[in-house]
Amino acid sequence: DTAVSQTPKYLVTQMGNDKSIKCEQNLGHDTMYWYKQDSKKFLKIMFSYNNKELIINETVPNRFSPKSPDKAHLNLHINSLELGDSAVYFCASSQQPGGLGETQYFGPGTRLLVL
Amino acid sequence: DAKTTQPPSMDCAEGRAANLPCNHSTISGNEYVYWYRQIHSQGPQYIIHGLKNNETNEMASLIITEDRKSSTLILPHATLRDTAVYYCIVRVRDSSYKLIFGSGTRLLVRP
Repeated sequence: DTAVSQTPKYLVTQMGNDKSIKCEQNLGHDTMYWYKQDSKKFLKIMFSYNNKELIINETVPNRFSPKSPDKAHLNLHINSLELGDSAVYFCASSQQPGGLGETQYFGPGTRLLVL
Repeated sequence: DAKTTQPPSMDCAEGRAANLPCNHSTISGNEYVYWYRQIHSQGPQYIIHGLKNNETNEMASLIITEDRKSSTLILPHATLRDTAVYYCIVRVRDSSYKLIFGSGTRLLVRP
């Protein structure tokens, strides 16, 4: 069974559209993250939620809005998509920050292409 | 910004040890050294982490110098499946648990 899953795996869309990427983890972790990996392969954190509360919010445009309906899910909604949003988006989870669970488990990624 | 410096690429022969260096000369006393790797098109995978002492697990060994300004990740018997980008990350063990990835080392394991 996949520990951290993301849907869809691929997403091709037009500029200006609104899209969502879903993430689910079945590890019982308290904390979930969204990372963006651009074309130059740099991996940067965007958001983190701990028990459905936002704890990390990096400098990300307001068009990006994470939503955590419960601790097992962290979805990423993107409004008014731009060409520069094309990237691979990774979801990750870990046990409570600072606790015994030091490892972040990453999902397989969602490849977003904005045309 | 990443607080680590790694060579952009390395290679080693299959079955031999791969030694990946990392410099973190500005590391603070409460900052840990983490290693992750990313195999092509997959999500990053945790390998190992340490603070002061050398660490070993089923995947690798981590050797941290006494002054903690550098470390080496050792894959004792590299296989073709170990070909990946390896990231050395320094992070503070606080509530934010933020991983700041650098550009990593691209390791190519040759048959």
